[in-house]
Amino acid sequence: NAGVTQTPKFQVLKTGQSMTLQCAQDMNHEYMSWYRQDPGMGLRLIHYSVGAGITDQGEVPNGYNVSRSTTEDFPLRLLSAAPSQTSVYFCASKFTSGTGQSYEQYFGPGTRLTVT
Amino acid sequence: DQQVKQNSPSLSVQEGRISILNCDYTNSMFDYFLWYKKYPAEGPTFLISISSIKDKNEDGRFTVFLNKSAKHLSLHIVPSQPGDSAVYFCAASADTGKLIFGQGTTLQVKP
Repeated sequence: NAGVTQTPKFQVLKTGQSMTLQCAQDMNHEYMSWYRQDPGMGLRLIHYSVGAGITDQGEVPNGYNVSRSTTEDFPLRLLSAAPSQTSVYFCASKFTSGTGQSYEQYFGPGTRLTVT
Repeated sequence: DQQVKQNSPSLSVQEGRISILNCDYTNSMFDYFLWYKKYPAEGPTFLISISSIKDKNEDGRFTVFLNKSAKHLSLHIVPSQPGDSAVYFCAASADTGKLIFGQGTTLQVKP
């Protein structure tokens, strides 16, 4: 298993440009989420999804869109990038099906985004 | 409103000694707590967790203690090794999905 994969690893955008951060997992996890990490702020939840076709907002959703058309993929879209979105973005997934609940999330390697 | 706080940005210990990382939370609805470890340029990896019905969980060199009345948890690493040098995040959950993270503590273990 590749686990959780993210592309690209690095990206530089100009203010106002749009882009999509890709996230995929091959563990058949229903739950997927996006976090951003900023110095002194820890990891903050942007959006999450409990299954295909279902998404919801986290702590800092403004400026980001998500969709979940398949179990495997959970892309994060920046429609009009702003310097405040300069950050490291992590995608994560976890197993939720069946009788047991799991809180442990598996993280991807991250995408470092700079908006100038 | 920071619901999960790690008030020590950094910690330095000698190899072989105990490392104690602390975490405080404010939301009494949190029922599950986790510690993650993060190396530079990598994603966080799960280290150890504890349910609110317990006050201690141990896994090898790592032990997590939970004091619900004080809304405080701590991670003990004994003995500390240079490979433990990383950023440690505590996280809490009030349901089975969303994790709320602290700011992180950078641990340096000196040989």
